[in-house]
Amino acid sequence: AQSVAQPEDQVNVAEGNPLTVKCTYSVSGNPYLFWYVQYPNRGLQFLLKYITGDNLVKGSYGFEAEFNKSQTSFHLKKPSALVSDSALYFCAVRDIVDTGRRALTFGSGTRLQVQP
Amino acid sequence: DTGVSQDPRHKITKRGQNVTFRCDPISEHNRLYWYRQTLGQGPEFLTYFQNEAQLEKSRLLSDRFSAERPKGSFSTLEIQRTEQGDSAMYLCASSPLPVRQGARSTGELFFGEGSRLTVL
Repeated sequence: AQSVAQPEDQVNVAEGNPLTVKCTYSVSGNPYLFWYVQYPNRGLQFLLKYITGDNLVKGSYGFEAEFNKSQTSFHLKKPSALVSDSALYFCAVRDIVDTGRRALTFGSGTRLQVQP
Repeated sequence: DTGVSQDPRHKITKRGQNVTFRCDPISEHNRLYWYRQTLGQGPEFLTYFQNEAQLEKSRLLSDRFSAERPKGSFSTLEIQRTEQGDSAMYLCASSPLPVRQGARSTGELFFGEGSRLTVL
């Protein structure tokens, strides 16, 4: 079985400060990991993914995420937050072992609030 | 716009009525997924198609729910005898098959904007 935990319902950060949104995962094999963002009344938009290779992955809008296999984590980061980054962020995982489970499993989401 | 489109965007219905949602995936994408999202929660997987074949169904998909993708292009999700607990956003996503035969898909999904269902 595959699962994702996002331990924080909400993260508050001041504009210009660095931000981190936490994610831990559980899979039986090796993971494919994703971050998506959702703005109000909109669908989910892909931010970045980890497939293999470099543990630091760079994505859209200046976001990056660090894969840590020993801690089974994939935290989302940005060096300098913008007010426009305020949205709902979802971490997702898929086991690369072909268990027949091709769909992504999503976490419960973390609301990011960036204050001006 | 060549993204995933869903119709209708909003549906309000009375308990016990049937509703149907349509999803048009990105045209070259063979895989199509339905998810359900309730307020304050992440998307929950419902079902998945590869071309016209329905390959996986979640246990969330009760016998009142049925999904089809008859020609491997658009898909419909029907909910019969709706209940108030069915109120949610129904999200459709699509993804391409791997470029190389035998290669693994990375699993990235492209989502539509969703169909919001309210059951009164």
